[in-house]
Amino acid sequence: GIQVEQSPPDLILQEGANSTLRCNFSDSVNNLQWFHQNPWGQLINLFYIPSGTKQNGRLSATTVATERYSLLYISSSQTTDSGVYFCAVNSLRDDKIIFGKGTRLHILP
Amino acid sequence: EPEVTQTPSHQVTQMGQEVILRCVPISNHLYFYWYRQILGQKVEFLVSFYNNEISEKSEIFDDQFSVERPDGSNFTLKIRSTKLEDSAMYFCASSSMNTEAFFGQGTRLTVV
Repeated sequence: GIQVEQSPPDLILQEGANSTLRCNFSDSVNNLQWFHQNPWGQLINLFYIPSGTKQNGRLSATTVATERYSLLYISSSQTTDSGVYFCAVNSLRDDKIIFGKGTRLHILP
Repeated sequence: EPEVTQTPSHQVTQMGQEVILRCVPISNHLYFYWYRQILGQKVEFLVSFYNNEISEKSEIFDDQFSVERPDGSNFTLKIRSTKLEDSAMYFCASSSMNTEAFFGQGTRLTVV
């Protein structure tokens, strides 16, 4: 099945810093989503982005489907951005959404 | 905004007992999923459901697990005889064809 690799696994930053999270996938995909898991365990939809670029406030994402990667950018980080960020994909061959292992982001005040 | 709702939010059960986790997907969605996340680990696929039948399942989804869509709105996951290692957060999700999936807030299952 499709493999989803996220990097880095952990990231510690000072408040106000910018960050880039990466998601590589091993096969062509129908869909790609970025989620933020908050301290209560909820999976919050950030972006649905099978290709192209989207922006929502301080967050933006880019997926280059032909090169099988996606990037999530967080600018001017705040402590509330802390948590785990997951990339999840639907491959063309499977009827399931596969998650990466996530990037754990710690924003220090 | 439509959302996926799961009940209960937290369930504690004794080893060997049956549990049913409930989900109400978004009303016009066609694809339904269950996932689990053991504390501190990745979100793992259990099963997908489309057109009133299982379309895919993982190795985790063994004979102890079953899913059902008993009416037009609910989607349930049953664990027949719970084990300690079934303790996890269970997420339900739904989507339309080739669109983003929406996840419920999860049910935290604790088996004691």
